[in-house]
Amino acid sequence: EVQLLESGGGLVQPGGSLRLSCAASGFTFSSYAMSWVRQGPGKGLEWVTAISGSGGNTYYADSVKGRFTISRDNSKNTLYLQMNSLRAEDTAVYYCAKGDGGVSFDWSLDYWGQGTLVSVSS
Amino acid sequence: SYQLTQPLSVSVALGQTARITCGGNNIGRKTVHWYQQRPGQAPVLVIYRDGNRPSGIPERLSGSNSGNTATLTINGAQAGDEADYYCQVWDSSTVVFGGGTKLTVL
Repeated sequence: EVQLLESGGGLVQPGGSLRLSCAASGFTFSSYAMSWVRQGPGKGLEWVTAISGSGGNTYYADSVKGRFTISRDNSKNTLYLQMNSLRAEDTAVYYCAKGDGGVSFDWSLDYWGQGTLVSVSS
Repeated sequence: SYQLTQPLSVSVALGQTARITCGGNNIGRKTVHWYQQRPGQAPVLVIYRDGNRPSGIPERLSGSNSGNTATLTINGAQAGDEADYYCQVWDSSTVVFGGGTKLTVL
C-alpha cells in the first residue's frame, strides 16, 4: 500500500524558513517522480514543484522559483521541500504527491499524502 | 501561461448525470487528469489520461477530451460524489490545475 506522510509544517514569521519532509513507502521510491502541491485556506490546488525519480531534474512554479528547493533522498525514501523567504501568501496545506510513472510530461499525481499546514504570520 | 477554466459550481439531482467542464486552448492536444477532493480530505485521482479510471473508481465516472474542452461525467450521482473536482494538465514543464468545481448533489 502506497503511503505518503508529510511533516515539518508549522508557524513561521515572514522571511523565515521551513523544511518539509515526505516519508514514502509501499513503492520503489527512486522509480517515480514526486511533486509538492499546496492549497491556501479556502482556495484551490496550486502546484509548487516536481522532481524526477533520480533527482536530476527539478521544476518549479514561478511563484516559488528562487525561494523553494525540492530534493529527495532515495536511500531514505524521503522527499523534501526547503522553503526560504516565506511570505504570508505561502500559507497553505502542503501535499506531497507521487507521479504515476508516465514518460514525458503527461503524468498524473496518483497518490497524495494528507498534507501539512504551513502558516506564515508575524 | 496556460490557463484552465472550470465552472465554480455544478448542481445535480440525486441519480442524475453531472458534467464538469474544463476549458483550455486546444486542450484536446493535451493529456488531462481529474481529481476529487472531499471536504477536509486530500485530493484523489479519479480520471487519468483523459478517460482512464484508477482501480477502485466506479464506472459511473468517465472523462473525455476534445477541442477546447475536457469533461468529467458522473452518471447516477450519489451523495458521496459531493466534492470539489479539479482538472490538471502539464504545460511547459509545469503542472496546471483548473480552479476547481464544487459539485452539489441535490
